[in-house]
Amino acid sequence: DAGVTQSPTHLIKTRGQQVTLRCSPKSGHDTVSWYQQALGQGPQFIFQYYEEEERQRGNFPDRFSGHQFPNYSSELNVNALLLGDSALYLCASSSPGQGNAEAFFGQGTRLTVV
Amino acid sequence: QKEVEQDPGPLSVPEGAIVSLNCTYSNSAFQYFMWYRQYSRKGPELLMYTYSSGNKEDGRFTAQVDKSSKYISLFIRDSQPSDSATYLCAMSERGTGFQKLVFGTGTRLLVSP
Repeated sequence: DAGVTQSPTHLIKTRGQQVTLRCSPKSGHDTVSWYQQALGQGPQFIFQYYEEEERQRGNFPDRFSGHQFPNYSSELNVNALLLGDSALYLCASSSPGQGNAEAFFGQGTRLTVV
Repeated sequence: QKEVEQDPGPLSVPEGAIVSLNCTYSNSAFQYFMWYRQYSRKGPELLMYTYSSGNKEDGRFTAQVDKSSKYISLFIRDSQPSDSATYLCAMSERGTGFQKLVFGTGTRLLVSP
């Protein structure tokens, strides 16, 4: 059973560029959440997708946007990259509709903005 | 004040020691409590998941929740060098439906042989 998979694993971008990160949830999960983890910090909630809609959003600017596809996979897009966007971006999947709220994380995408 | 406070460590112990990791929180609406283990440059791995107050045991790991004190703990018995990692506590107001996790900063644990 494949767990949560994310791509790419590492990425280097220049300030002002745009980036797209991808996530495939664990089999049987229909909800995807994205988190940003800065070095030495805990993950911070960005937003959550269910049924192809954004259901909840954390305190992140509109430069951060996302999408969920009919197969439950998801993308995170960040526009106009800033140096401060350098972090590990984590995707978590869950299936709250089945009464199971445990969230399982992927290995993350490490984004470096130079 | 952060919603969830966690001592960043590092916490250094010898192999075989009992380890106690703790978090405090300020939001009384938190009902679901989790502990994750994160190895360097990897994603967090779910260790324990508990609801409301009480204890939960799984092998060498025991999670305790005291909602009256807004305090949660993770105990690791017979610690091993392979337990060396960062331990993150996480909490949410809701266990079902659309919930977000609020994390502590993580405690770095070092278990020496």
